[in-house]
Amino acid sequence: QLQLQESGPGLVKPSETLSLTCTVSGASISASNYYWGWVRQPPGKGLEWIGSLYFSGSTHYNSSLKSRVSISVDASKNNFSLKMTSMTAADTATYYCTRLYSWFDTWGRGALVTVSS
Amino acid sequence: EIVMTQSPATLSVSPGEGVTLSCRASHNVYRNLAWYQQKPGQPPRVLIYDAANRAAGVPARFSGSGSGTDFTLTISGLQSEDFAVYYCQQYDDWPPWTFGQGTRVEIK
Repeated sequence: QLQLQESGPGLVKPSETLSLTCTVSGASISASNYYWGWVRQPPGKGLEWIGSLYFSGSTHYNSSLKSRVSISVDASKNNFSLKMTSMTAADTATYYCTRLYSWFDTWGRGALVTVSS
Repeated sequence: EIVMTQSPATLSVSPGEGVTLSCRASHNVYRNLAWYQQKPGQPPRVLIYDAANRAAGVPARFSGSGSGTDFTLTISGLQSEDFAVYYCQQYDDWPPWTFGQGTRVEIK
C-alpha cells in the first residue's frame, strides 16, 4: 500500500528557507506515469498546487511561487523534497506531499508549517 | 490558467437528504475533472476522476457528471461521515493543476 510521509520543521522564521521531505513507501518513486509533488493549504482555506516532479526529473512549478520553490528527488532514498525560500507569514499552511496521476491519487497526512519569529 | 469556481460555498443539509454540488471551469476541460472530500484534520481524498468514475472504495451514493465547463457531484442519502468540504480539480490544461475553492456540506 502506497504511503507518503512529510517531515520537516513545524516553525520557520520570516525570510528563512523551508525544507520538507516526503518519504515514499509501498512504491518506487522512479515508477513511470506519475508525478510527485506538493500541495498546500493555509488554515481554513483551500488547496494550492505548489509544484510537481516527474520520475525523469522534469519539474513544473506554480508560476506564483516559481521564483522561490524547488523540488528535487533522491531515488536512492525513495524520497523527494521541497525547498521554499524567503518565507513569510502568508506561507503558513499545511503542506501535503502527493502522487499525481492527472488527479492527486495519494496524499501524505500533511505537515503544518508556521512562519513566525 | 483554468479557474475553477464552485457553488455554493456552503450547503446546509439534513442527514438522509440528497445534495448536488456544482463546479464550473473557465475553459473547456472535457471530462478531465476530479472531486475530493476533505474532513477536518485529514488530507483530501479523491472521490471521482474523469468526471464520473468513482475511485476505489468510494460508496455508490457519490456520483459525478458533466463535461466541458459544467460539472456536478451528487451525494444521495447523506450520512454523518459525508459532512465535509468538497473540492473539484481540473487536469486538462496543466500546469498548473487547479482546484475550486471548495463547498462545505454542513449539518442542518
